[in-house]
Amino acid sequence: DTEVTQTPKHLVMGMTNKKSLKCEQHMGHRAMYWYKQKAKKPPELMFVYSYEKLSINESVPSRFSPECPNSSLLNLHLHALQPEDSALYLCASSQDLGAVEQYFGPGTRLTVT
Amino acid sequence: AQSVTQLGSHVSVSEGALVLLRCNYSSSVPPYLFWYVQYPNQGLQLLLKYTSAATLVKGINGFEAEFKKSETSFHLTKPSAHMSDAAEYFCAVSESGGSQGNLIFGKGTKLSVKP
Repeated sequence: DTEVTQTPKHLVMGMTNKKSLKCEQHMGHRAMYWYKQKAKKPPELMFVYSYEKLSINESVPSRFSPECPNSSLLNLHLHALQPEDSALYLCASSQDLGAVEQYFGPGTRLTVT
Repeated sequence: AQSVTQLGSHVSVSEGALVLLRCNYSSSVPPYLFWYVQYPNQGLQLLLKYTSAATLVKGINGFEAEFKKSETSFHLTKPSAHMSDAAEYFCAVSESGGSQGNLIFGKGTKLSVKP
């Protein structure tokens, strides 16, 4: 199984809502990533988890809260988002931090109203 | 610091014509280089990667790329474009042996294929 899955595929939320994005992989990878991609732009790294511990936080606002409950699962909790947070959120995984090849999920298209 | 420059934000070719998407990189250490493709409303799919083995790398869907250290380039080519190749293409670099697991992406090139 070389797949990274993400749910939901689409999400519309108001600025006062709390929602979560989910990412799952069963490749035994120990590094997992969240990226944000705005329209017509490349992906931008948000967070990196290594062995279930937060390794990198690219100065992301606290309204985004990542969580890695186990080695296969990565969540992104969303609260009090702004319309400018609307984007495609991509999850990726790699064997470990030293492995350069990352496997990407299909993304969650988030719209904040 | 690493960086990637993709020349041309939009490339348009006719079906059956040669596809050439340009990528130049900057890295202080031997790089790992990647080309990803993104179809509308989808995630990123790895087309091919250079990891310091053969300089000519063959990927999926008939694409290939050549690593040229002297030109710091990793251009993507396909001999004959197909309508299904229309998508956004991203070149990315990662430092070999890096401990950050960080991919640096170029700004992307949108490929259009005319019938």
